Amino acid sequence: AQSVTQPDIHITVSEGASLELRCNYSYGATPYLFWYVQSPGQGLQLLLKYFSGDTLVQGIKGFEAEFKRSQSSFNLRKPSVHWSDAAEYFCAVGARNYGQNFVFGPGTRLSVLP
Amino acid sequence: DADVTQTPRNRITKTGKRIMLECSQTKGHDRMYWYRQDPGLGLRLIYYSFDVKDINKGEISDGYSVSRQAQAKFSLSLESAIPNQTALYFCATSGMGDRGNYGYTFGSGTRLTVV
Repeated sequence: AQSVTQPDIHITVSEGASLELRCNYSYGATPYLFWYVQSPGQGLQLLLKYFSGDTLVQGIKGFEAEFKRSQSSFNLRKPSVHWSDAAEYFCAVGARNYGQNFVFGPGTRLSVLP
Repeated sequence: DADVTQTPRNRITKTGKRIMLECSQTKGHDRMYWYRQDPGLGLRLIYYSFDVKDINKGEISDGYSVSRQAQAKFSLSLESAIPNQTALYFCATSGMGDRGNYGYTFGSGTRLTVV
């Protein structure tokens, strides 16, 4: 069965600092991988996704993520965090055969210090 | 207009009352989902539908029912609301393209409080 872990429940960084949010998944084959962001009081917005090809994917708002098959990881990074990045971030895994639903991680809440 | 619209945005209801949350989409996607979000638990799947004639239970379907009235409409009902159903509810859709699964498009959520 698919599963997603996000080891960090809450991370605090200073504005301008770099950021890495961790995501590990369990799946029998290469899945589709996604990162979503949820700002306070808002729905979930897709940041980026990995389907195939280049393992470093670029997303919106200056975020990127790297798929590492050997580590079953899909960590999200940003070189310089802005105060507006404070939100909750969810990693999700989806099956390639479209016959299975997505599984979401529990989320990581990001706080940004001025 | 939003691709996925949920109504109402907020609702306070009393224990034992029946309540319906509605979702409509303009994406043309065949798949629709209802999720529940609780702090620290992420998103948990309540029900999902792959087309109008296909309804499936998710991991936490007890106490909920759904109706897929049309390809674009998928409603969630709480037949007799209880306080532990207080949560943020999301509707989502997904479709399939030439690059595989598109991923989900989410509505803005319905915040439900059962008192």
